[in-house]
Amino acid sequence: DAGVTQSPTHLIKTRGQQVTLRCSPKSGHDTVSWYQQALGQGPQFIFQYYEEEERQRGNFPDRFSGHQFPNYSSELNVNALLLGDSALYLCASSLFPGTGDQPQHFGDGTRLSIL
Amino acid sequence: AQKITQTQPGMFVQEKEAVTLDCTYDTSDQSYGLFWYKQPSSGEMIFLIYQGSYDEQNATEGRYSLNFQKARKSANLVISASQLGDSAMYFCAMREGRNSGGYQKVTFGIGTKLQVIP
Repeated sequence: DAGVTQSPTHLIKTRGQQVTLRCSPKSGHDTVSWYQQALGQGPQFIFQYYEEEERQRGNFPDRFSGHQFPNYSSELNVNALLLGDSALYLCASSLFPGTGDQPQHFGDGTRLSIL
Repeated sequence: AQKITQTQPGMFVQEKEAVTLDCTYDTSDQSYGLFWYKQPSSGEMIFLIYQGSYDEQNATEGRYSLNFQKARKSANLVISASQLGDSAMYFCAMREGRNSGGYQKVTFGIGTKLQVIP
């Protein structure tokens, strides 16, 4: 039973560039959430996707956008990268929120460094 | 106001002893869920235990138990018989705030770093 997989594991970019991170949810899950975890902090909710639409969004600028595909996989795109975007980006999958309180399952994350 | 407060940046515990990690939360919702996750240095977030706001009994999962005091808005994690492999960051999280579409977001605390001493 494959868990949540994220790619790439590490990425180095420079200011102003754009980046795309990818996530495949755990088998059987249909909802994907993205989090940003800065060094020494807890994860901060970016947004959640279900049925290929953004359903919830945290306090992140429009530079952060996403997409969910029919096979439930997801991408996180960040434009005009800033130094402060350096962080571990975590993807979490779960069942549709309305099906009761299911824990989210997390991937190992993508560590993004901005130079 | 912080939604999730974890006031212990770091904790030490002797191997085989029990340890309590504190978590308080703030919400006006009647229906919410509380989670604890473990994050080893490798970065993966590992789900440990869940408590629903309507659950009358404290949740337990093996060596993990959640001391849920609803009136105090606290959801402390108790780890019994600590093992060296328990050394990690521990995060308390809350799911609440359904929007018009019924979707909830999860808010995490800043975490507690637990170190188990041989």
